Amino acid sequence: DVKVTQSSRYLVKRTGEKVFLECVQDMDHENMFWYRQDPGLGLRLIYFSYDVKMKEKGDIPEGYSVSREKKERFSLILESASTNQTSMYLCASSLWSYEAFFGQGTRLTVV
Amino acid sequence: TQLLEQSPQFLSIQEGENLTVYCNSSSVFSSLQWYRQEPGEGPVLLVTVVTGGEVKKLKRLTFQFGDARKDSSLHITAAQPGDTGLYLCAGADQGGSEKLVFGKGTKLTVNP
Repeated sequence: DVKVTQSSRYLVKRTGEKVFLECVQDMDHENMFWYRQDPGLGLRLIYFSYDVKMKEKGDIPEGYSVSREKKERFSLILESASTNQTSMYLCASSLWSYEAFFGQGTRLTVV
Repeated sequence: TQLLEQSPQFLSIQEGENLTVYCNSSSVFSSLQWYRQEPGEGPVLLVTVVTGGEVKKLKRLTFQFGDARKDSSLHITAAQPGDTGLYLCAGADQGGSEKLVFGKGTKLTVNP
């Protein structure tokens, strides 16, 4: 089975901190994604990567950056955390442009 | 940008009832997926439908892809409390990228 592992289930950070969310997949998938999920807004794509060192902006990239130095690892970086970035963050990977496999999610609270 | 509209947004039923949720778009998709998400967890893939008119069954769940590949439905027979969750449909973006487009989901509650 595909396994996508996010480094933390719950995080509490202070406004202005630099925050790193890590995601690792073990199925050699080319594509990796970061979404945030908020009530009433659904899943919104922040960034995705289709190869090592390649990245593309999703629908809401402002305030975020990403890093993909190795195929199995995709990191989301909040450069200066703000309270409006409090959310559930979901990492996913896929081999094709469908059938995404998700991690368990990171519930981030910025205070 | 392609959109997927899901209905209803919320559904609360009693154990044993049948239900159908819908996923509609004005765009054609090469495939659609259905996911179920439990509170505090990531979505889990249930099924992928690829061919127009295709019907797939997964125990008490029946998935159908519309003939024109613009819509899909999920029917649950004799719902159980364990079916409670957020049901999401998703389709591959047709703009040549590797993105998935997600609907906002149907939140299903099955009461014992």
